[in-house]
Amino acid sequence: EVQLVQSGAEVKEPGESLTISCKGSGYFFPNHWINWVRQMPGKGLEWMGRIDPSDSYTYYSPSFEGHVSFSVDKSIATAYLQWSSLKAADTAIYYCARRVAGAEGRYYYYSLDVWGKGTTVIVSS
Amino acid sequence: EIVLTQSPGTLSLSPGERATLSCRASQSITSGYLAWYQQQPGQAPRLLIYATSSRATGIPDRFSGSGSDTDFTLTISRLEPEDFAVYYCQQYGSSMYTFGQGTKLEIK
Repeated sequence: EVQLVQSGAEVKEPGESLTISCKGSGYFFPNHWINWVRQMPGKGLEWMGRIDPSDSYTYYSPSFEGHVSFSVDKSIATAYLQWSSLKAADTAIYYCARRVAGAEGRYYYYSLDVWGKGTTVIVSS
Repeated sequence: EIVLTQSPGTLSLSPGERATLSCRASQSITSGYLAWYQQQPGQAPRLLIYATSSRATGIPDRFSGSGSDTDFTLTISRLEPEDFAVYYCQQYGSSMYTFGQGTKLEIK
């Protein structure tokens, strides 16, 4: 079974650092980009960016660049989302999701076909 | 950045009825780059439709997608109790994904 298993919930204070993880299994991990998606309480989905596990190339949404960083250890099929200094506004659920790419008829497609269950991050003093 | 606007914000229907959800893009989207996701309360999103109209693995055929250019639609032909959830459209362009704000499908 293809799955992404995320690390457990975190409660942190403002200014602290944090790393959460996303471990892939059931497929060849380097073949699929890992994307990170934020969902603030009661709100919609926001794409944060992605990392290519094969070469660690990253792309950040402008809304998140400079505030978070992505990394990967393909030897253990795990991607990471890191903050160096958390803010209260970082309180959210964070999902990792695998990108699948292919062709359907005359179109290429790029969708997020497998999602982790999410990691809840609470930042509060 | 392409902005996706979903309508309505909330849709109230009864089981057995037909649901039509709209997603409008601020500029033209390649059809392959439009997807729909379902999110149940307390759960992660699930891919329903990719490339505008292709159902993901395990998705029942009561779900269908259509559209082109800037206007896309998710249709649920006959609502089942488990279909009441939040639905998001998503597009991929310029190396980025963007999501619509979501449509909440609630039981009338």
